[in-house]
Amino acid sequence: QSALTQPASVSGSPGQSITISCTGTSSDVGGYNYVSWYQQHPGKAPKLMIYDVSNRPSGVSDRFSGSKSGNTASLTISGLQAEDEADYHCSSYTSSSTWVFGGGTKLTVL
Amino acid sequence: QVQLVESGGGVVQPGTSLTLSCAGSGFTFSSYVMHWVRQAPGKGLEWVAVISYDGSKKYHADSVKGRFTISRDNSKNTLYLQMHSLRGEDTAVFYCARQYRSSSLFFYGMDVWGQGTTVTVSS
Repeated sequence: QSALTQPASVSGSPGQSITISCTGTSSDVGGYNYVSWYQQHPGKAPKLMIYDVSNRPSGVSDRFSGSKSGNTASLTISGLQAEDEADYHCSSYTSSSTWVFGGGTKLTVL
Repeated sequence: QVQLVESGGGVVQPGTSLTLSCAGSGFTFSSYVMHWVRQAPGKGLEWVAVISYDGSKKYHADSVKGRFTISRDNSKNTLYLQMHSLRGEDTAVFYCARQYRSSSLFFYGMDVWGQGTTVTVSS
């Protein structure tokens, strides 16, 4: 159960778009359309932003979108806003009926 | 409102045991798959365990298999995590989380999280 691979940090200016990648294997990300993304502000619990690769729960801004190609999933945030500055974590269901998270990515809004 | 509240964290010595609880309210607890997820200080999230809505199926991460056990009591709307042989590397904030579903459809994401309970393993 190796953790999914995410960049440690990404940054962007207000109004710009950024993309965070999440790389796994054919036993997790590549094998299922069961990738989810979470936003976490310091000292707070995670918040679900994307489920099943590309679906947004009710109440999540449409500036957030998800996609997948092969063993790599991606989260794109368009029209960056100051409040988007947070840690972002990806997760995937696995062939062992378990789940795995990535190491997390710190987004800085310049 | 929909809520999960964890309890039972604390400071314990290596090799000892601890049981965490997670009380659900504002939703039909017995209809949901539930997870435990932990976060070591300054680190990312780590999935710990999952249990089916009726408790019949349980899966644990390799890092805790044989030491931790997830369980639930639907009559009390409560999720548990029994932890034995605790180690320093188990020091973390432990969150319980609900797996997302809508009507009869199940989805792969955790849509409700508790505030977390802190476990510190230190001599």
